[in-house]
Amino acid sequence: GIQVEQSPPDLILQEGANSTLRCNFSDSVNNLQWFHQNPWGQLINLFYIPSGTKQNGRLSATTVATERYSLLYISSSQTTDSGVYFCAPTSDTGRRALTFGSGTRLQVQP
Amino acid sequence: DARVTQTPRHKVTEMGQEVTMRCQPILGHNTVFWYRQTMMQGLELLAYFRNRAPLDDSGMPKDRFSAEMPDATLATLKIQPSEPRDSAVYFCASGLGVGPNEKLFFGSGTQLSVL
Repeated sequence: GIQVEQSPPDLILQEGANSTLRCNFSDSVNNLQWFHQNPWGQLINLFYIPSGTKQNGRLSATTVATERYSLLYISSSQTTDSGVYFCAPTSDTGRRALTFGSGTRLQVQP
Repeated sequence: DARVTQTPRHKVTEMGQEVTMRCQPILGHNTVFWYRQTMMQGLELLAYFRNRAPLDDSGMPKDRFSAEMPDATLATLKIQPSEPRDSAVYFCASGLGVGPNEKLFFGSGTQLSVL
């Protein structure tokens, strides 16, 4: 099945800093979503982004499907951004469901 | 505010007991997914349904796990008999299934501990 690699695995930021999270995937995809798992375990859908760029407040995401990667940008980070960020693509072939990467654990310090 | 509802939130049971987890997808959503999260394996897909029909359950141990959708408002995941290695958080998610509406929404999960 599709392989998903996220980097970095861990990230510590000071409040107000910017960051870029990367997701590489091994197959062509028809769906890709970014999720934030907060410290209470809730998975929140941030973006549906199989290609192109989207922005939502301080967050934006870009997927370059032809080069098999996606980026999540967090600007002016806040302590509430802490948690784990997951990338989850769906392969064009194989199982028609999201496959989750291992995540980037982000800690934003005040 | 539409949301995916999972019950129970927490379940502690003894090895060998039957466990049933329930999920109410968002009204109108036609795809339902079951995922399991552990520290070692991360988020793994167990099974998914479209229009109540099972499309893929290859992620489930067949001898002890079963997933069903008795109707459009209820999905169930059963483990019988349960084992300590089944301890995990089980998430249900629902979506509309096609194109931009494929965005997936997750419930709060059922934290299962098998002693």
